[in-house]
Amino acid sequence: DGGITQSPKYLFRKEGQNVTLSCEQNLNHDAMYWYRQDPGQGLRLIYYSQIVNDFQKGDIAEGYSVSREKKESFPLTVTSAQKNPTAFYLCASSRSGSEGETQYFGPGTRLLVL
Amino acid sequence: GDSVTQMEGPVTLSEEAFLTINCTYTATGYPSLFWYVQYPGEGLQLLLKATKADDKGSNKGFEATYRKETTSFHLEKGSVQVSDSAVYFCALRRGGSNYKLTFGKGTLLTVNP
Repeated sequence: DGGITQSPKYLFRKEGQNVTLSCEQNLNHDAMYWYRQDPGQGLRLIYYSQIVNDFQKGDIAEGYSVSREKKESFPLTVTSAQKNPTAFYLCASSRSGSEGETQYFGPGTRLLVL
Repeated sequence: GDSVTQMEGPVTLSEEAFLTINCTYTATGYPSLFWYVQYPGEGLQLLLKATKADDKGSNKGFEATYRKETTSFHLEKGSVQVSDSAVYFCALRRGGSNYKLTFGKGTLLTVNP
């Protein structure tokens, strides 16, 4: 089955620690995205990538970093500079960046601070 | 900038009741409009979409019509089921260099048997 996988489902971060969230897709999609979801809020875009080896900051990129070395993979690192990292993180992909293209979402990773 | 406004929740209905969740938007140009559904502890699933004015998206008994004159995309279902209990998000996406979806805050729907 084609789809998007995210791991781990739950992740715990200690103060001053960097953690990396995994996102893999086997849909052969060119574009991939990372969103953050806070309780009672809509999703906000952290980073997006239209093609391999290229990515752009979204609305709330500070304290986060990404890489796109392979088409299938778009890992997100939450750095120690992100002072309020507790949230639900959702990865998405779409066939292209066109306006009408559907974005498909993974099951999410919940990040908690110890 | 772009924005999406949804009716505040939570919405609680009895099974077989009629559902409307209001959604209005602000955006330049002609965005595409989407409804996503999120079940507890899961990611978002596309429910339906419309890419131009007067288009009607439909899926699983849910419908929404793209109304440019009122900048709205209200979600409706004639008879809800307990399994429809979830959070519903309205979203828009403009063309151009920014590829993001702009989301509303979500509406929690609870359907009681």
